[in-house]
Amino acid sequence: GAVVSQHPSRVICKSGTSVKIECRSLDFQATTMFWYRQFPKQSLMLMATSNEGSKATYEQGVEKDKFLINHASLTLSTLTVTSAHPEDSSFYICSAPTGFSYNEQFFGPGTRLTVL
Amino acid sequence: QQQVKQSPQSLIVQKGGIPIINCAYENTAFDYFPWYQQFPGKGPALLIAIRPDVSEKKEGRFTISFNKSAKQFSLHIMDSQPGDSATYFCAATPDSWGKLQFGAGTQVVVTP
Repeated sequence: GAVVSQHPSRVICKSGTSVKIECRSLDFQATTMFWYRQFPKQSLMLMATSNEGSKATYEQGVEKDKFLINHASLTLSTLTVTSAHPEDSSFYICSAPTGFSYNEQFFGPGTRLTVL
Repeated sequence: QQQVKQSPQSLIVQKGGIPIINCAYENTAFDYFPWYQQFPGKGPALLIAIRPDVSEKKEGRFTISFNKSAKQFSLHIMDSQPGDSATYFCAATPDSWGKLQFGAGTQVVVTP
C-alpha cells in the first residue's frame, strides 16, 4: 500500500510550548490530508481536513487557533499544537487518500504527544 | 453521535477461530466501507474495503459481508492467529475521498 510518514513519532514537551507534527505522503501526491486525534482505547476523532494551497477546514469543536494546519506542498501537511497543555496529550494521526483505485486512505504511524 | 455503530467492543477467540465484527449505519449516502487494523502505538492499517454493489469480498483470511438492505456489514477473520490480536475499526464515507466515519472499535484477542 501507499506510504504515509509522520515525524516525530513521539514528543514530550512542557506546558505552554508549541509542537509541530509533520505528515508526508512518500510515494504519491495528496491534495487532501486528514488529521485525527485518538485517546487511549477510543476511536479516531477527525480534527480537520488539510487542503493543499488553501485553508484547512476544522470539525466542530476543534479550535483552529490552537491546532494550526499548513499544507504547503502536495506531499507535506503540518499540524502545530500551540501553547500545549496536558489535556492536549494524545495520539495524533494523519491520513491521505492516494488517488489509486478507489482512493483508499492510508494512515501515518501516529505521533504520541505528552504535555507535562 | 456515532454514525457507524460497531459491536462487540471486545472479543476473545482461540487460534483457528473466526472472530466476527459487526457494523451498522443509517446514512444511505455512505458508499465506501473500509476496515482498518490497529496495533498498540501504531496508526491504523487498511485491511480491506467494499462498495455496496457487492455482497462479499475476500482478501486472504479477511472477508467482508455486506447487506445493503439492512445497512449492515461485517468482518470475518478466518483461521485467526495470535498475530491478528489488534483493534479493528469499521468506517464509512459517502465517497473514498470523503471524511471517514469510524466505528468505536473492537479489540480482538486471539489466544494460542
